[in-house]
Amino acid sequence: EPEVTQTPSHQVTQMGQEVILRCVPISNHLYFYWYRQILGQKVEFLVSFYNNEISEKSEIFDDQFSVERPDGSNFTLKIRSTKLEDSAMYFCASSDYGTLNTEAFFGQGTRLTVV
Amino acid sequence: QKEVEQNSGPLSVPEGAIASLNCTYSDRGSQSFFWYRQYSGKSPELIMSIYSNGDKEDGRFTAQLNKASQYVSLLIRDSQPSDSATYLCAAVYNQGGKLIFGQGTELSVKP
Repeated sequence: EPEVTQTPSHQVTQMGQEVILRCVPISNHLYFYWYRQILGQKVEFLVSFYNNEISEKSEIFDDQFSVERPDGSNFTLKIRSTKLEDSAMYFCASSDYGTLNTEAFFGQGTRLTVV
Repeated sequence: QKEVEQNSGPLSVPEGAIASLNCTYSDRGSQSFFWYRQYSGKSPELIMSIYSNGDKEDGRFTAQLNKASQYVSLLIRDSQPSDSATYLCAAVYNQGGKLIFGQGTELSVKP
């Protein structure tokens, strides 16, 4: 069964360092998303990406964040200068025709710990 | 501000009982609704989707949508200890749009 894969599963980084979280969406999907979940809190939307550009972003997704689809398979989230409050689970998701009448499937997540 | 509200629980039911999980949403423009199951430390796993008023059944799961009341529910029949998890309700407002999640309801099924 096709699945969304994320690497690494766990990343520890020092405050101020750059991190890149990687995702391989399901191959025929067209819409890609990043969400995050701080421990004990709800899943929050960060950004959506379609047709090689950002289609929507949240207030959390400030200038420290960027996304890229560097090739036909990978979708990355970069945090330029990490803060302690960036510590969270980061989930990549993808869907085929967008989420209106089709489902989004999530990767297993990357646990980011900023120390 | 578009919001999705759930009782955080925990909801405790005995094995074999029906678990009923509820969710309300703030914006009448919401188009699609999803239930995800999340085990501790894991990612959300899609359980059900529902797009129109009424009931939708899939195995032991039934999702119910009432757009007039802005209410979504999930019934789990014959609950099993393996159903113990946090159940997330999510709404979508537009094509390709973001999922807006509730805070989740923790379900505990006691053997």
